[in-house]
Amino acid sequence: DIQMTQSPSSLSASVGDRVTITCQASQDISNYLSWSQQKPGKAPKALIYDASTLETGVPSRFSGSGSGTDFTFTISSLQPEDIGTYFCQQYDTLPFTFGPGTKVEIK
Amino acid sequence: EMQLVESGGGVVQPGGSLRLSCAASGFTFSHYTMNWVRRTPGKGLEWISYISSSSGTIYYADSVKGRFTVSRDNAKNSLYLQMNSLRAEDTAVYYCARDRRSSGWSDHWGQGTLVTVSS
Repeated sequence: DIQMTQSPSSLSASVGDRVTITCQASQDISNYLSWSQQKPGKAPKALIYDASTLETGVPSRFSGSGSGTDFTFTISSLQPEDIGTYFCQQYDTLPFTFGPGTKVEIK
Repeated sequence: EMQLVESGGGVVQPGGSLRLSCAASGFTFSHYTMNWVRRTPGKGLEWISYISSSSGTIYYADSVKGRFTVSRDNAKNSLYLQMNSLRAEDTAVYYCARDRRSSGWSDHWGQGTLVTVSS
């Protein structure tokens, strides 16, 4: 199975800060990577797919980049509503696998 | 508005069975592949099953293969997960999710239903 790692596991930043999360795959997954957000008790929300394509309706402060094994997710200006856990997922190879998540809090 | 609503979770003893349902609305269910994903306390998010729009293509994670069966009824806009021989490690919140591109990536998720396997 392809292992997905994320760092950091949690972060605390101020409103307006630039936030960056990295995701690494244990083998080449091309650009078959997504980023999603989950808030406690809520359904996960898709943000980015194919490593860098913003899902319809998602604010442009969210972005993604990378290919192969190394990927980056960025919030250009952190907003209070952005608190939650962010996770990456690879869908290049079965079984589809997820990163452990990064918890984002407001300082 | 697109909605996915899971139901059928609960407490079950090890070795027992449970059937989860996912009711879809707000989109043409019969056109879309669907996934089941679970969140466990220890392992985080785990994809467990994929079923194509016509049920012609089905995949399972090794951890549930032979014990879980995914199915769908497009006339009822419903997705199902029959879970047999349940183990403590199956304790999780189970989500159904729409797979817009039949790729393994889910663009819309339900809020989940909790399954607890305990004696």
